[in-house]
Amino acid sequence: DAMVIQNPRYQVTQFGKPVTLSCSQTLNHNVMYWYQQKSSQAPKLLFHYYDKDFNNEADTPDNFQSRRPNTSFCFLDIRSPGLGDAAMYLCATSRDRDSYYEQYFGPGTRLTVT
Amino acid sequence: AQSVSQHNHHVILSEAASLELGCNYSYGGTVNLFWYVQYPGQHLQLLLKYFSGDPLVKGIKGFEAEFIKSKFSFNLRKPSVQWSDTAEYFCAGRLSGNTPLVFGKGTRLSVIA
Repeated sequence: DAMVIQNPRYQVTQFGKPVTLSCSQTLNHNVMYWYQQKSSQAPKLLFHYYDKDFNNEADTPDNFQSRRPNTSFCFLDIRSPGLGDAAMYLCATSRDRDSYYEQYFGPGTRLTVT
Repeated sequence: AQSVSQHNHHVILSEAASLELGCNYSYGGTVNLFWYVQYPGQHLQLLLKYFSGDPLVKGIKGFEAEFIKSKFSFNLRKPSVQWSDTAEYFCAGRLSGNTPLVFGKGTRLSVIA
């Protein structure tokens, strides 16, 4: 009965080779978030979708893009991964955007860039 | 800039010891505060949250946290830890409304027999 599912759990890509990470949810939540967490650092919000409305954080590099084709799925695209993009990528969902609503996290995808 | 600080990187306790993990925030307005736990190999789970009202918040698995506005703190406590509490603990905060959730760097708790 997993609620937020991330595939794959581990991803290896080559420097400069585009990569896509996947997130799906069974909660029917309106909001889906993508966080980046580097080793020994705090998770950092990259962007979120409120329904179909995309909201980018100001300091998220252009190299990172996202797609949400439907309520259940959200993808993180890294157009040209660099060594510095190696990290754990966390997907989260919430019923709505207001801080009152709890965020539910997936297990994460660990990205390695060679 | 809004930030959340956790000053303990790694805490090692014996079973039955009492736990207190520090969390400080720097927000100018009304803030909502959270503690998340991540057990080995698992996803982040919400332990407890504070929005308003009673500053002493009780969460799951015997955890509690106290919001002290004058100290900008939201420390996590448990009177007696168990081996199963071994995990990474993250404090997080966001201003009320539609604002980003900002995490601290996390504190790794190791409970030994």
